[in-house]
Amino acid sequence: DGGITQSPKYLFRKEGQNVTLSCEQNLNHDAMYWYRQDPGQGLRLIYYSQIVNDFQKGDIAEGYSVSREKKESFPLTVTSAQKNPTAFYLCASSIKVREQFFGPGTRLTVL
Amino acid sequence: AQSVTQLGSHVSVSEGALVLLRCNYSSSVPPYLFWYVQYPNQGLQLLLKYTTGATLVKGINGFEAEFKKSETSFHLTKPSAHMSDAAEYFCAVSQGITGGGNKLTFGTGTQLKVEL
Repeated sequence: DGGITQSPKYLFRKEGQNVTLSCEQNLNHDAMYWYRQDPGQGLRLIYYSQIVNDFQKGDIAEGYSVSREKKESFPLTVTSAQKNPTAFYLCASSIKVREQFFGPGTRLTVL
Repeated sequence: AQSVTQLGSHVSVSEGALVLLRCNYSSSVPPYLFWYVQYPNQGLQLLLKYTTGATLVKGINGFEAEFKKSETSFHLTKPSAHMSDAAEYFCAVSQGITGGGNKLTFGTGTQLKVEL
């Protein structure tokens, strides 16, 4: 079955650590996205990528980094510069301007 | 800049009653509009979308929404609520990006509670 997978489902980070969240899709979509979800704030765009080896900052990119070396993969690194990283992270993909399809999410907690 | 306003962060209905979740948007170009549903600790699932054409859009699970340009609204309705409809619902407006893809601007969500 085609879809988007995210791993791990739960992730715990110590202060000062970098952590990487995985996102893989087998939908053959060109565009991929990372969102952060906090209670009562909806979803906010962190980064997006329209093609391999290219990506753009979204609305809240500070403290995050991404790469897009393969069409299927768009990992997100939460760096120690992100001061409040505890949140639910969602990855999505789309074909051009059509609807976005979402993965199941990763819940990150800072200890 | 685009924006989406969802009136009512929490809505409660009785099972079998009408569900009405409100969404108003602002956009400088003809919008693409979406409704997504999210169950606890899961990703978002597309309920329905408006791109062009018919303004009354039918989606999954008996939901539908009507695009009203004059009111800049895209309210979500379902004639008869079911317990399984309890979830959080997000309205989103799309802005195309040069080179492909699109940027979605989401509302802050409406938590729907269905009571017996």
